[in-house]
Amino acid sequence: GESVGLHLPTLSVQEGDNSIINCAYSNSASDYFIWYKQESGKGPQFIIDIRSNMDKRQGQRVTVLLNKTVKHLSLQIAATQPGDSAVYFCAEIYYGQNFVFGPGTRLSVLP
Amino acid sequence: DTEVTQTPKHLVMGMTNKKSLKCEQHMGHRAMYWYKQKAKKPPELMFVYSYEKLSINESVPSRFSPECPNSSLLNLHLHALQPEDSALYLCASSQDLVERVAFFGQGTRLTVV
Repeated sequence: GESVGLHLPTLSVQEGDNSIINCAYSNSASDYFIWYKQESGKGPQFIIDIRSNMDKRQGQRVTVLLNKTVKHLSLQIAATQPGDSAVYFCAEIYYGQNFVFGPGTRLSVLP
Repeated sequence: DTEVTQTPKHLVMGMTNKKSLKCEQHMGHRAMYWYKQKAKKPPELMFVYSYEKLSINESVPSRFSPECPNSSLLNLHLHALQPEDSALYLCASSQDLVERVAFFGQGTRLTVV
């Protein structure tokens, strides 16, 4: 959904723990989803994607889970490292349309 | 090479100035995008070019004028901007409008004074 607050939701995790970042998407017809990572002062960086005919996809240290029943997407990061500190955006795409970013979550990794 | 290059990195301009933002990619991508991002907000789509033709204009004011001179270049011409137009302007490209994984540049931090 839309974020109207002044502050991004923040998730703080200890270094070495697993992180789970959640995203609720809006269009039940969306057929493609992407997670982006944005570090301070940089552009968004592609992390992982998943199509709507899948419910799980794994990458290096990251896993994306898709629950179409409740329109929910999550990004799991294993063994979180300081370099993982960033804002994470999910993006949903409906075929033929342009992708819409979610409001974002700031991940803060504590030493 | 998965790089999208944007210049300049920073730009300060007055409300009567004319300036241009530039974006370049050499991945052979045929879709290119301009996004605007305000602090603590997600990127918002402004324009989409597909095969060098303007495909989408998300009701952007005419003081922003995009141009796609060839398949590798995308410009955003700026004229008579307002202070509220200050933001991070991001360029992105994707293979086309079907294969939608977009690669972003580092952005141009624009300040309008």
